Parts: sequence; C-alpha cells; structure tokens
Amino acid sequence: DVKVTQSSRYLVKRTGEKVFLECVQDMDHENMFWYRQDPGLGLRLIYFSYDVKMKEKGDIPEGYSVSREKKERFSLILESASTNQTSMYLCASSLGGFSNQPQHFGDGTRLSIL
Amino acid sequence: KNEVEQSPQNLTAQEGEFITINCSYSVGISALHWLQQHPGGGIVSLFMLSSGKKKHGRLIATINIQEKHSSLHITASHPRDSAVYICAVFHQGAQKLVFGQGTRLTINP
Repeated sequence: DVKVTQSSRYLVKRTGEKVFLECVQDMDHENMFWYRQDPGLGLRLIYFSYDVKMKEKGDIPEGYSVSREKKERFSLILESASTNQTSMYLCASSLGGFSNQPQHFGDGTRLSIL
Repeated sequence: KNEVEQSPQNLTAQEGEFITINCSYSVGISALHWLQQHPGGGIVSLFMLSSGKKKHGRLIATINIQEKHSSLHITASHPRDSAVYICAVFHQGAQKLVFGQGTRLTINP
C-alpha cells in the first residue's frame, strides 16, 4: 500500500512565523500535491510537482512556496504565516500521467495561526 | 457556480438504509473519483471511473457521461460508513482534479 506521511497532525504557530509542512511518500510517485481544505470550499490546490525540482502553481499559491529536492519529499512553506492560512492541509501523491491515476492522500495537518 | 456539485450536503440515516449521494459536473472530464474522509482528516480513494459502474463490497458507483452525473450508493449502511464523501473530477482542459464540497453522511445505530 502507498503510504503518504505528513510530519504533523496538529500545528500551532504565530503570525509572521515561517512554517514548514513536510510530506513524504514511499511509492516512488512522480506527482505530489498540496491542498488546503476549508469548510464550504472543499479541497483547493496550492501547488503541485511532477518531478524533482519541478513545481507548478495551483489555484491558490499566494503566500506559499514549495520545495522538492528529492522525489519522495514535498515541502510546503508559509513564508510569513497569517491567520487566514489557518486550515487543514493535505498532501497527496500519484504516479505520472495525471488523469488516469488515483491520488493517495496523507492524514492531513490541521494548522492554526494565532 | 461550482464546476462540481454534490447533493445532499448533509445526510442522516438509520443503520441498514440504502444511501445515495449525487455528483453533477459541468466540465469535460477524463475520470471521476469518489473519496471518503473520516473524522480526523485522512482521505481514502474509493473509486475512479470513466464509464459505467463499479462495485466494491457494499459500495457502488455509477457514472453517466452524457448527463454529466455520478452517484455513489451504499447498501445496508452501517455507522462505520459515517464520513464525508467527496466527488472529484479530472478536468480535461485544466488538467487537474476539481473537487466537490463533500457530503457529510451520518448513520445512526
């Protein structure tokens, strides 16, 4: 079974801090994704990566950056955290070729910015 | 208007009832996914389909490409089926998954 592991289930940070969310997958998947999930809005794509050192903006990239230095690891960075970034963050991975591959999700990180 | 609409948003039923959750979409797609999210957050992929019908245990998913509609059915529902069910479509033009807002299902014993 594919395992997607997010480094923290719950995280509390302060406004202005630089925040790192880490995601690791163990199935040699080419594609990795970061989503945020908010009540009434569903999942929205922040960034995705289809290869090492490659990244593409999703629908809501403002205030975020990502890093993919190794194939198995995809990091989401909040450069200067703000209260409107309080949310559930979900990482996912899939094999190459987006349309016909299921995405495998981590358990999520519930991030609170105070 | 959202590109993927689910109904109902919330559904409460008694154990043993037959459950139907609907998903309508307005864009061209190459695949449709049904996902399950339990309290605590983790999301599990239930089905991926591009035509017809798929069955796994008590769960059945159908899709009608012409009508741009899919349904997820649960037979003999059980309290452990309580979760949020999410429909997602792979948007052919945008080449990305687009998610519905989810249906919160509660099955009472």
